[in-house]
Amino acid sequence: QQPVQSPQAVILREGEDAVINCSSSKALYSVHWYRQKHGEAPIFLMILLKGGEQKGHDKISASFNEKKQQSSLYLTASQLSYSGTYFCGTEGSNYKLTFGKGTLLTVNP
Amino acid sequence: GAGVSQSPSNKVTEKGKDVELRCDPISGHTALYWYRQRLGQGLEFLIYFQGNSAPDKSGLPSDRFSAERTGESVSTLTIQRTQQEDSAVYLCASSRRERFTDTQYFGPGTRLTVL
Repeated sequence: QQPVQSPQAVILREGEDAVINCSSSKALYSVHWYRQKHGEAPIFLMILLKGGEQKGHDKISASFNEKKQQSSLYLTASQLSYSGTYFCGTEGSNYKLTFGKGTLLTVNP
Repeated sequence: GAGVSQSPSNKVTEKGKDVELRCDPISGHTALYWYRQRLGQGLEFLIYFQGNSAPDKSGLPSDRFSAERTGESVSTLTIQRTQQEDSAVYLCASSRRERFTDTQYFGPGTRLTVL
């Protein structure tokens, strides 16, 4: 079942923070985050496994709450290069990744 | 090459014609995936090749869609008797290990337009 991402779109000024949420109605084994810039291939950001871990990558971090079947992506002090569409992919009991519809992030100067 | 490549980058075809889309995965990657991305939508899983095992075709939307892979190299996605609803970007990805949720490296996609 497709995870639900929120918000659908967000506009920031450079330096502002943002949170993108991903939730599922099914039990999750892992959550994957990808970013896709317009006209380009999706790029892997991080994988979060069961255990409620939090990961970080530069100023982008994420958390995974398996009990709530939710993950959140945190973008701190956003840069222009952060603009793009962020997808979460959730791994369920069928061991397949199902991607959400994406969150369009626009960072303006 | 250094990354996943796909060809053609753009394909315009008439309704009812067959099309072939090609994917060259990263060398040494055992798993290969095809996804479809309609405008404003997420990534829709189509098919998964896992080494020498039988492919997982559970995402193919109809029998007009088929795919082949030669060993651990090139894959071809074929759409027969194309329909306008087939218009989308078709993305290919590969991963090192034969596990669906290993890190996937995506190609730039083929934009298919069916007139």
